[in-house]
Amino acid sequence: SQQGEEDPQALSIQEGENATMNCSYKTSINNLQWYRQNSGRGLVHLILIRSNEREKHSGRLRVTLDTSKKSSSLLITASRAADTASYFCATGYNNNDMRFGAGTRLTVKP
Amino acid sequence: GAGVSQSPRYKVAKRGQDVALRCDPISGHVSLFWYQQALGQGPEFLTYFQNEAQLDKSGLPSDRFFAERPEGSVSTLKIQRTQQEDSAVYLCASSPVGNQPQHFGDGTRLSIL
Repeated sequence: SQQGEEDPQALSIQEGENATMNCSYKTSINNLQWYRQNSGRGLVHLILIRSNEREKHSGRLRVTLDTSKKSSSLLITASRAADTASYFCATGYNNNDMRFGAGTRLTVKP
Repeated sequence: GAGVSQSPRYKVAKRGQDVALRCDPISGHVSLFWYQQALGQGPEFLTYFQNEAQLDKSGLPSDRFFAERPEGSVSTLKIQRTQQEDSAVYLCASSPVGNQPQHFGDGTRLSIL
């Protein structure tokens, strides 16, 4: 069964706008990871945030983690058409129990 | 290449046939995972290997599903007596030892007619 749940299920924005996706989970975690999937391709790892971290940046990506609320958010700033993809969060305690949510389908219109 | 390679990319089989899906992980990666992804959904965990040992197979949906990694590198996922509900994309991922990000192949799209 899937542990994380992303919200919203789908998001459509204009190029240059920011995109925010949220992930909620139910059990204790060691880390939370965000992945991206282009249509017909495998998942690509974007960023990992550990349970003792609150915020992490990577280029145009900003991830926050609130363990008290069991939630995380992924912010993509200054979005581009090439950011169009599905975004998944994965949560778990060990590497072998990472579980993915159903994803947010992001469309960035040029 | 240096990434995870899966073959075939597409597989069409008739209901009742057996299929075998192959995964070549990144060289040196200890951990290997198989996932099943239905259309519009996230990857669902099937099974996990650490080297040649299958440490977790709790996600395999039935005893028709079997995975192996006999030499701790290449892995094969076999589905016997396929059924229409087995139609999905099967993703393989590998990672170094420890709690590391997973590297995914592009998957095998399986269609059961």
